[in-house]
Amino acid sequence: GAVVSQHPSWVICKSGTSVKIECRSLDFQATTMFWYRQFPKQSLMLMATSNEGSKATYEQGVEKDKFLINHASLTLSTLTVTSAHPEDSSFYICSARAHRGPMYGYTFGSGTRLTVV
Amino acid sequence: KQEVTQIPAALSVPEGENLVLNCSFTDSAIYNLQWFRQDPGKGLTSLLLIQSSQREQTSGRLNASLDKSSGRSTLYIAASQPGDSATYLCGSGTASKLTFGTGTRLQVTL
Repeated sequence: GAVVSQHPSWVICKSGTSVKIECRSLDFQATTMFWYRQFPKQSLMLMATSNEGSKATYEQGVEKDKFLINHASLTLSTLTVTSAHPEDSSFYICSARAHRGPMYGYTFGSGTRLTVV
Repeated sequence: KQEVTQIPAALSVPEGENLVLNCSFTDSAIYNLQWFRQDPGKGLTSLLLIQSSQREQTSGRLNASLDKSSGRSTLYIAASQPGDSATYLCGSGTASKLTFGTGTRLQVTL
């Protein structure tokens, strides 16, 4: 079945530094990938939609310059948290939708726990 | 804007019981409805995917139904086990995105 690999699974960084999270579709092509943020005991909030070869579409309230998304190939999307602050600490999860279209559902990565100190 | 609600927010049942988790959504123009399981600190595992033209899907002890006209889906878990303890999320899929409910935290006790 469809597998999405997310790396790293956890990261600790200092305030002011940048952190990159990778999301890879291992056995299928994903023209569209999604980045979510999840706070403790809350549901997933969509941050942005990443389309291969074009600019990401950000949800309202998400800072584009802070959360940089790149989707350079059909199997890789990256999220870079720039100038990280403690309030950026959260659980980030990516998902990918198969090239065939939305009818085939979404596959999720295992998530990245970001802690900014 | 699609809004998805899950009831109950939390549920504790003894092992062996059958249970039903509920999901409701406001916009019936969906492609599909997907149920996920999330263990603490982990990503999401897809359990069942129901296309908009389907009424239900089954996988082992799990059965999910979809009533698009009324904006409802249910996840039925038969003969619950302690290993079923997790948070269950439903997501309504449109052409552009997946919108999640608030989740149901399930605990199955011995």
